[in-house]
Amino acid sequence: DVKVTQSSRYLVKRTGEKVFLECVQDMDHENMFWYRQDPGLGLRLIYFSYDVKMKEKGDIPEGYSVSREKKERFSLILESASTNQTSMYLCASSLYLQGNQPQHFGDGTRLSIL
Amino acid sequence: KQEVTQIPAALSVPEGENLVLNCSFTDSAIYNLQWFRQDPGKGLTSLLLIQSSQREQTSGRLNASLDKSSGRSTLYIAASQPGDSATYLCAVADNFNKFYFGSGTKLNVKP
Repeated sequence: DVKVTQSSRYLVKRTGEKVFLECVQDMDHENMFWYRQDPGLGLRLIYFSYDVKMKEKGDIPEGYSVSREKKERFSLILESASTNQTSMYLCASSLYLQGNQPQHFGDGTRLSIL
Repeated sequence: KQEVTQIPAALSVPEGENLVLNCSFTDSAIYNLQWFRQDPGKGLTSLLLIQSSQREQTSGRLNASLDKSSGRSTLYIAASQPGDSATYLCAVADNFNKFYFGSGTKLNVKP
């Protein structure tokens, strides 16, 4: 079974802090994704990566950056956290870009910015 | 831009009923459609994936259909159980593997 692990289930940070959310997958998947989920807005794609050191902006990249130095790890960085970034963050991975492969999700990180 | 809508937003049924969840999308140029289940405070679990060339997929008591030309998919759950209570989301992928999600249908199956 595919395992996508997010480093923290709950996280509380202060405005202006630099925040790192980590995601690791154990199935050698090429693609990795970061979403945020908000009530009434559903899941929105922040960034995705289809290879090491490659990244593509999603629908709402502003205020975020990502890093993928190793295939199994995809980090989401909030450069200067703001209260409107309080949300549930979900990481996902899939086997390869055009292979009709399902996305596999981690359990999410509920981030609160005070 | 692709928009995905799920109706109803919430559904409550007695145990044993067969039920249908609906998903519609505005752009029929999709690569595939995926149905997920999400339990409270958890991530998403993939249930079924339908490729754009397929009409339906089945897994156990679940059957998902796809009508690409009309921009619709349904998830049929047979003989519902309390353990089926969760939020069900559909997502469509475009040819660049970007996924667009609906807001989900929150299902409550009463014992």
